[in-house]
Amino acid sequence: NAGVTQTPKFQVLKTGQSMTLQCAQDMNHEYMSWYRQDPGMGLRLIHYSVGAGITDQGEVPNGYNVSRSTTEDFPLRLLSAAPSQTSVYFCASSYTSGGTGELFFGEGSRLTVL
Amino acid sequence: GENVGLHLPTLSVQEGDNSIINCAYSNSASDYFIWYKQESGKGPQFIIDIRSNMDKRQGQRVTVLLNKTVKHLSLQIAATQPGDSAVYFCAETGTSYDKVIFGPGTSLSVIP
Repeated sequence: NAGVTQTPKFQVLKTGQSMTLQCAQDMNHEYMSWYRQDPGMGLRLIHYSVGAGITDQGEVPNGYNVSRSTTEDFPLRLLSAAPSQTSVYFCASSYTSGGTGELFFGEGSRLTVL
Repeated sequence: GENVGLHLPTLSVQEGDNSIINCAYSNSASDYFIWYKQESGKGPQFIIDIRSNMDKRQGQRVTVLLNKTVKHLSLQIAATQPGDSAVYFCAETGTSYDKVIFGPGTSLSVIP
């Protein structure tokens, strides 16, 4: 059982470049979300989705786009990377709305923007 | 600008002792609270949860206490083991069950 799979695990970008962080889950979870974690800090919610075709903003959505065309996949797009987006990004999923069930996290994607 | 990371609060305990990790939350309307454990280089893992209509819930070696009067949450770990060394986060749902908001975290270090 793969759970939540994130790719790539590591990425280095130059300022202004765009890229997509991939997230896939094989647990048929309706709820998926993206967090970023900066050194020595907690996780901040970027975007979330309660089901295919539905997305919404979290605490820090600026500079990021998401889409949810299938239940399994929830990609996070950086439109024009900035050094402030250097962080570790975590994708999570839950069988229910995130606030009423356990969140299952991926292993993280470490992004450095030069 | 330069990203200056904050230093996490750190709790050091002897192996075998009990640990208490505290968390203050800000939203009095929060209805659901969760504790997560994050080991180095990994994603957070669910430990235990509690709803606002409860003040205590027990799991295996862990207990969560909720004091809504002072908006305080605590995680008690009994007979702390080296494998418990990690960063612990409390999280809450606030007014929207769809948004799980994490606190800043506490680093637990177990001394063998």
